[in-house]
Formats: sequence, C-alpha cells, structure tokens
Amino acid sequence: QSALTQPRSVSGSPGQSVAISCTGTSSDVGGYNYVSWYQQYPGKAPKLMIYDVSERPSGVPDRFSGSKSGNTASLTISGLQAEDEADYYCCSYAGSYTLDVFGTGTKVTVL
Amino acid sequence: EVQLVQSGAEVKKPGESLKISCNYSGYSFININYWIAWVRQMPGKGLEWMGIIYPGDSDTRYSPSFQGQVTISADNSISTAYLQWSSLKASDTAMYYCARQIAYYNILTGHPTLYHLDYWGQGTLVTVSS
Repeated sequence: QSALTQPRSVSGSPGQSVAISCTGTSSDVGGYNYVSWYQQYPGKAPKLMIYDVSERPSGVPDRFSGSKSGNTASLTISGLQAEDEADYYCCSYAGSYTLDVFGTGTKVTVL
Repeated sequence: EVQLVQSGAEVKKPGESLKISCNYSGYSFININYWIAWVRQMPGKGLEWMGIIYPGDSDTRYSPSFQGQVTISADNSISTAYLQWSSLKASDTAMYYCARQIAYYNILTGHPTLYHLDYWGQGTLVTVSS
C-alpha cells in the first residue's frame, strides 16, 4: 500500500488561504469518508485537526476546514497565521487488509 | 483527561531485542471503539501507520508493511500497550508514537473500521547503532 500523495510544501502570507491536497485511490480516500488530518510541529507529537473528512475536534480553530472530491481530500487553512507553520499529514482508512495509510506530508510555510 | 505516556528513549545495538511501552489513562479501556495504534516516524521522514491493538482482548492488526517485523501487545490490567522487536536493525531507528485509535468494530465481518487518532503519546526515540 503506497502512501497518499501530498505536495511537499505550500506557502502563503499571513491572512491568506492555503489548501493542501491528499490524493489516493478508490480503495482508500475515494472509498471511505474516514479521512483525517494531523498537524505536527518539529520535535512534537502530531495533533488531530480534522476527522471524518470535514469534522473539527473541539479546540481546533474554525479557519481549518476539510473536504473531499473523488479520490482527493483537501485541508484548507483560511486566514493563515504564523503559528500554522508546521507539517501536515492526511490519513485514510484503506479497508480491512491495509487498514490505515498516511499521506507523504506537507510543510506549510508562512511567509 | 485522556493521556498516553510512553517509555523513554532507547539506544540499542543491531540484533538486540527491545520492548517499548505506552501507558493509557483517562477513558474506559473496555470500550470496543478505542484501540491503541503505533506510528513510526523515521528521521526527517513522514508518519507510517504500523498496527493496532484492542486492549480488552488483545485483538491485534498489522499494516502489511510491518507484519512480521514487530509485535504489538497489551496488558489491560496495567493499562499498557507495547511494541517490541526481537532483533533490531539500524533501519529501525525512528521515533515511535502510540495513539488512541477511534474505530468501529463490525461484529459481522470481524474487522474494525478505523476512524482517526485523537490522542497521542509524546513519542519514544529508538536509536539502533553499532
């Protein structure tokens, strides 16, 4: 099972919006609505930001949103802030054999 | 408060065995929807999902990439999950995270459908070097 494909990096100025794509197949992203997104600062454990494609856990700012179309899921950060500079990973359920698969990860840089 | 606390960093030689731990607390361990997952992050690389265990009955599932490479176990009496190696390799050098995996267990199929990882441990750095 290959990792889901994410852009290596995206960047934006404070206040702008950035979107991170997560491309899989009909066996993972396209087949289930169990896509989640994680934020990771250097040297820290990942943090859940989005689950079930578009749901936000309590405490996550509403500038983070998720969506899915076909085999591609997306995380959008609106009103980019300096503290959003981090690595972001998507993850999708991939069936009873593979179970879960992460994306390749995207570094978000705030210019 | 849900907490996952992992054991400390380890430095080992190739061929040695190792067992690292993850102590979980703050929620009902017998809830079939709560499993413990292990995730690997090699130096400078991304996250890799390794496998899960349901502490209530030690039902364990592995990613095909990690099947046979590691062993996941748990002792629910002390609220602890484990990840172990029988013979370490230099390529096992990585940070290992445990996390609570939310899942739905389908009794008809006997398989869990995995949702997301909502709480994470702080990570255990494993260094394998001669």
